[in-house]
Amino acid sequence: GAGVSQTPSNKVTEKGKYVELRCDPISGHTALYWYRQSLGQGPEFLIYFQGTGAADDSGLPNDRFFAVRPEGSVSTLKIQRTERGDSAVYLCASSSSGTDSYEQYFGPGTRLTVT
Amino acid sequence: TQLLEQSPQFLSIQEGENLTVYCNSSSVFSSLQWYRQEPGEGPVLLVTVVTGGEVKKLKRLTFQFGDARKDSSLHITAAQPGDTGLYLCVGGGSQGNLIFGKGTKLSVKP
Repeated sequence: GAGVSQTPSNKVTEKGKYVELRCDPISGHTALYWYRQSLGQGPEFLIYFQGTGAADDSGLPNDRFFAVRPEGSVSTLKIQRTERGDSAVYLCASSSSGTDSYEQYFGPGTRLTVT
Repeated sequence: TQLLEQSPQFLSIQEGENLTVYCNSSSVFSSLQWYRQEPGEGPVLLVTVVTGGEVKKLKRLTFQFGDARKDSSLHITAAQPGDTGLYLCVGGGSQGNLIFGKGTKLSVKP
C-alpha cells in the first residue's frame, strides 16, 4: 500500500512569506506527527495529532507555526512570516497508535529553504 | 527534559569491520527504537526494545537495551557499504511523542 507522502518535496520561499506543507498519512493511521530536521541533526518533534486534535504541540517553536488536521487524515503545517532559520527538512510520520512509541512510518520530507 | 545522547557522532570504517553505536540518557524510557535514515528519505524503523536487558538481533545487527532502560547500543558485525546511513536512537517521550538522538552518521567504505 501507499506510504506517507509529503508535498511539495522542495519549497524555496523568501523571508517573510507564508508557506504550507502537506502530509498524507497512511490510510487508517490515527496518529500523525510533524518533525523538523536540520542538517546533520536528528529530527526534532514539533506536533502530534491523534485524530483531528493536536494531542501535543509542545514542540512548535513559536506562534508562527501552526498545524491542522481537520478530517483526521491529511495534515497541513503552516508557517507564517518565514525566517531563514526555518530552513530545514520537515518530516511527517504516521502510526496506527499514538502512545508507547509504536512504529512510526515517515514520509520523505519537504525541504524548505528560506532565502 | 528527556534527552538522548548518541556516540560517536561520525564513524567511517572499512567493509568487514565491526562497530558499536551507543545511546545514553539520564531518563528512563518505556521503550527505545533504532531507526536508519538514508539521504533524502525519512527514517525507517529497525527495531524496538521494551524490556530492560533485552537483546534483539536483526541479521548482522544486534541491539541491546540497558537493564535500567536508560541506554541502548547497536552493534554491527562485518559492516557492508549498504549499512551506510544515519542511525538514530529514539525514545518514547512522556507525552506520547518520540525523542530523537542527534544520530550517528556511518560510512562504510568498500
